Amino acid sequence: GAGVSQTPSNKVTEKGKYVELRCDPISGHTALYWYRQSLGQGPEFLIYFQGTGAADDSGLPNDRFFAVRPEGSVSTLKIQRTERGDSAVYLCASSLEAPGTSGRGDTQYFGPGTRLTVL
Amino acid sequence: AQSVTQLDSHVSVSEGTPVLLRCNYSSSYSPSLFWYVQHPNKGLQLLLKYTSAATLVKGINGFEAEFKKSETSFHLTKPSAHMSDAAEYFCVVSFSGGYNKLIFGAGTRLAVHP
Repeated sequence: GAGVSQTPSNKVTEKGKYVELRCDPISGHTALYWYRQSLGQGPEFLIYFQGTGAADDSGLPNDRFFAVRPEGSVSTLKIQRTERGDSAVYLCASSLEAPGTSGRGDTQYFGPGTRLTVL
Repeated sequence: AQSVTQLDSHVSVSEGTPVLLRCNYSSSYSPSLFWYVQHPNKGLQLLLKYTSAATLVKGINGFEAEFKKSETSFHLTKPSAHMSDAAEYFCVVSFSGGYNKLIFGAGTRLAVHP
């Protein structure tokens, strides 16, 4: 069975450019998460989707970051006016979480990540 | 506030000797606790999880962890290290009311020597 996939695997861009990172969750998983992992650190939460809606976007660092999940499956993380400090590995995870529950303890399955380098 | 502290950034063991990776958590709520492993250039993989059932949790590849509420700890152990265990290990907490948002520790890099 297919796991979580992310594209591209690597993205190099110049400061000030716009980038989009894509995540394909495991089929049937209603919950989708984005995390960011800077060099030498653990992943940090960015945003959580339950279905099509962003239930918690408290981890987005500023308004240059935005994410969508229009059909409740694939999600795109969008970063405007990229800065060198945005360089990191962006991880996506999905879980089989029923709507209306906290999903506490549901296993999150992670994709391989997209390594973003801003020059 | 919820947080996780991994007490060692690096641990080095010889093949065949026990592994101990230490983790302490802080949570105002009843937590769920996880250990994930990250091999170089590979995705995060769940080793084991605690969700208020048995306090001794067994995971994959011979790893286990014990939830100790009085010590707010969730240390990861393995009786005998294998070369393939060399990787980065993350202790992770989530809590009720947190939408299953995972809070990661900084990680412990495990090196296994022949």
